Amino acid sequence: SQKIEQNSEALNIQEGKTATLTCNYTNYSPAYLQWYRQDPGRGPVFLLLIRENEKEKRKERLKVTFDTTLKQSLFHITASQPADSATYLCALGTGGGNKLTFGTGTQLKVEL
Amino acid sequence: DAGVIQSPRHEVTEMGQEVTLRCKPISGHNSLFWYRQTMMRGLELLIYFNNNVPIDDSGMPEDRFSAKMPNASFSTLKIQPSEPRDSAVYFCASSLRTVSTDTQYFGPGTRLTVL
Repeated sequence: SQKIEQNSEALNIQEGKTATLTCNYTNYSPAYLQWYRQDPGRGPVFLLLIRENEKEKRKERLKVTFDTTLKQSLFHITASQPADSATYLCALGTGGGNKLTFGTGTQLKVEL
Repeated sequence: DAGVIQSPRHEVTEMGQEVTLRCKPISGHNSLFWYRQTMMRGLELLIYFNNNVPIDDSGMPEDRFSAKMPNASFSTLKIQPSEPRDSAVYFCASSLRTVSTDTQYFGPGTRLTVL
């Protein structure tokens, strides 16, 4: 069956460190992958998109990698800050239509 | 821009009652999505529309759920009759184009509690 797996346990890191979040998928052939941030009581907000033919994408302190052989995407936040604390969701688009399938998200807590 | 607008923000109802959730997408956007989010199942796509036409409703749980988009600026999601297991946060999102890579912009959600 199709699955998108993100770490269900919260990730706690110290301010200034690099946070790395994982998104693994099975039985999908995504044409692209998106990462969203969700704060409590709010809707998800788009962060980055990476296509299947791209290995890496960067935006300010954010970096996303996409390995279609490993069926995995890694999301990195460098020089993390307490304001980065949120739940991060990965979403796969298969290219058939414009719908996304979301993972369950990983909660990140950046401590002082 | 006001962003995606959803109403009501909170809804508490009793089992068996009809519930109608409303969404106004961002002006000029051509795709609209309805999602449901729970702790157990995460964020699930229920249905989406392109240019006001339903494209994929495979995520709609059962016949108790229905969605309409009578025009480009308004959509409804109706549950009739509601059940306790429908309790969740319902999000509406819109995107500018009907292409798969477009960013989706989410509304603030409607928190539904069915007693």
